[in-house]
Amino acid sequence: QPVLTQPPSSSASPGESARLTCTLPSDINVGSYNIYWYQQKPGSPPRYLLYYYSDSDKGQGSGVPSRFSGSKDASANTGILLISGLQSEDEADYYCMIWPSNAYVFGTGTKVTVL
Amino acid sequence: QVQLVQSGAEVKKPGASVKVSCKASGYTFTSYDINWVRQATGQGLEWMGWMNPNSGNTGYAQKFQGRVTMTRNTSISTAYMELSSLRSEDTAVYYCARGLRVVQGARILYYFDYWGQGTLVTVSS
Repeated sequence: QPVLTQPPSSSASPGESARLTCTLPSDINVGSYNIYWYQQKPGSPPRYLLYYYSDSDKGQGSGVPSRFSGSKDASANTGILLISGLQSEDEADYYCMIWPSNAYVFGTGTKVTVL
Repeated sequence: QVQLVQSGAEVKKPGASVKVSCKASGYTFTSYDINWVRQATGQGLEWMGWMNPNSGNTGYAQKFQGRVTMTRNTSISTAYMELSSLRSEDTAVYYCARGLRVVQGARILYYFDYWGQGTLVTVSS
């Protein structure tokens, strides 16, 4: 089972941006996959945020603000979640997810702290 | 509105089995897969498998093959996840989640759009 590596933590002040990464193993090409992102607050189930495949093929979850956006860095084999205009309510854990083959795989998760 | 309501917390001894239910409402139960995801305390999310409530077809993560069984009762719009041969490492919150499949041109999107509230399963002697 592949491991999707996310930095354990990230912090930024309100109004700033947070750039969260999800690095795929070298034998899985990020360009070939939809990258899904979820947000989870303490004591609650995860919430679907968005998916990103390419600039022309991406989608936002229902009710998810546009300040959440996705992208990829092919050179780093990484999926990216950008949170612009960070707000206190964005403090949560964030998980990426892909379907590499016959199983869904979640990333290790990043805890975002709003300073 | 779409809701997935799970059964209550369970405490089990090592070696026992647990069966968690997930009752769906607000949509046609047989039109969407139900997936199960678990999360140990302070840890990340782990996908366990999926079930098609219409056909009963299932797909399990390799890690759980032989220990997990996903079933359903369509008459009451309820999905079940049974995990056997429990060990302490199975202590976790277990979530059911609806799988939404969207055809996007030549590709298919599939993600979990609604989640149950979670069921804590504690395995302890």
